[in-house]
Amino acid sequence: DAGVIQSPRHEVTEMGQEVTLRCKPISGHDYLFWYRQTMMRGLELLIYFNNNVPIDDSGMPEDRFSAKMPNASFSTLKIQPSEPRDSAVYFCASSFRWANYGYTFGSGTRLTVV
Amino acid sequence: RKEVEQDPGPFNVPEGATVAFNCTYSNSASQSFFWYRQDCRKEPKLLMSVYSSGNEDGRFTAQLNRASQYISLLIRDSKLSDSATYLCVVNANTGGFKTIFGAGTRLFVKA
Repeated sequence: DAGVIQSPRHEVTEMGQEVTLRCKPISGHDYLFWYRQTMMRGLELLIYFNNNVPIDDSGMPEDRFSAKMPNASFSTLKIQPSEPRDSAVYFCASSFRWANYGYTFGSGTRLTVV
Repeated sequence: RKEVEQDPGPFNVPEGATVAFNCTYSNSASQSFFWYRQDCRKEPKLLMSVYSSGNEDGRFTAQLNRASQYISLLIRDSKLSDSATYLCVVNANTGGFKTIFGAGTRLFVKA
């Protein structure tokens, strides 16, 4: 199993540009999570999906953030327009039956907005 | 009060030492518990689940005390490669699934 695959690994963009982060979860996992990690705030849950349906997006900071999961093997997190304070590492994670087995994280996308 | 609190760290220990991490949680409806390890500039990785009966995996022992709402991780005979941040994670179902990550405790093992 290739694990959770995220792309790109690194993204540097200018303020105001659109950024799209991509994630392929582990096949068979029914939950997908998007997290953001910074030194100041640690790991923050942005949104999670169950069977491709968004369940809780209360962690999405603003309307500039949106996430989709068009099928079981693909999800995107979009920031439009991006701002310097969005600079962070964004992790995608997937799990089977949510609480029972823990998460598998992708290697993350390190986003820098200048 | 934070929902999940960990020792602030960092812990600096010599190779071969035994080190213990503690974690407390505030939600009595919490259902499942985990320890994750995160290396510098890497993703968190599941280290072990924590069961009420306690569980052991090689040099690592995890324990859960539901009455005190307390989780621990013990590392025996620590290695240089154990240097990382250890995250306590608590799952609860309180009208909706909720996962809380602790802030993590940094461990440095020195030769």
